[in-house]
Amino acid sequence: DQQVKQNSPSLSVQEGRISILNCDYTNSMFDYFLWYKKYPAEGPTFLISISSIKDKNEDGRFTVFLNKSAKHLSLHIVPSQPGDSAVYFCAVAYNQGGKLIFGQGTELSVKP
Amino acid sequence: EPEVTQTPSHQVTQMGQEVILRCVPISNHLYFYWYRQILGQKVEFLVSFYNNEISEKSEIFDDQFSVERPDGSNFTLKIRSTKLEDSAMYFCANLLIAGGLTDTQYFGPGTRLTVL
Repeated sequence: DQQVKQNSPSLSVQEGRISILNCDYTNSMFDYFLWYKKYPAEGPTFLISISSIKDKNEDGRFTVFLNKSAKHLSLHIVPSQPGDSAVYFCAVAYNQGGKLIFGQGTELSVKP
Repeated sequence: EPEVTQTPSHQVTQMGQEVILRCVPISNHLYFYWYRQILGQKVEFLVSFYNNEISEKSEIFDDQFSVERPDGSNFTLKIRSTKLEDSAMYFCANLLIAGGLTDTQYFGPGTRLTVL
């Protein structure tokens, strides 16, 4: 099941710079897109979401971009901080109450 | 931030035994979900539950699995006869109600199930 792909298993960024995490999906019927952050031995923590009617949503240092024609989702973190170091998962759903389909995750390391 | 709690944090069991994983949802949340993550793999959907019945389940959720809200509060996942391949982190998630963009699934800390 490769409906959602995060092709970069890891990313290393210098503190203060921009982190860009990417996610591709296959089905144009997905309507709701999310990013979660996860630390070891903890559950996923919601970061930010976007619906298919928008192409950008911003919350503080986090911005999610949606390119529906390319079926591509990205998360920008500016400026990156060492506390942002974690595994980031993108997730998609057919609707807001529906099951989440997760990508494999990208491990972000922000170096001081 | 609202919190979902899960018990136990770690469960070790022998193959073939029954296990019950428990979730205390956020008050007033109406939608309930179970997901699992096998070590090194993706987080996978198991089942969703709304209005005291299953609304959707994955092909992983076979006859060995069941869910219920026995007291209208706790939400449980039962595995009747555990297999080695059931070893994973199991996450409970809740959603208040679909509507606003900020409504989202909140996840608990997980239960690590180890089947020997």
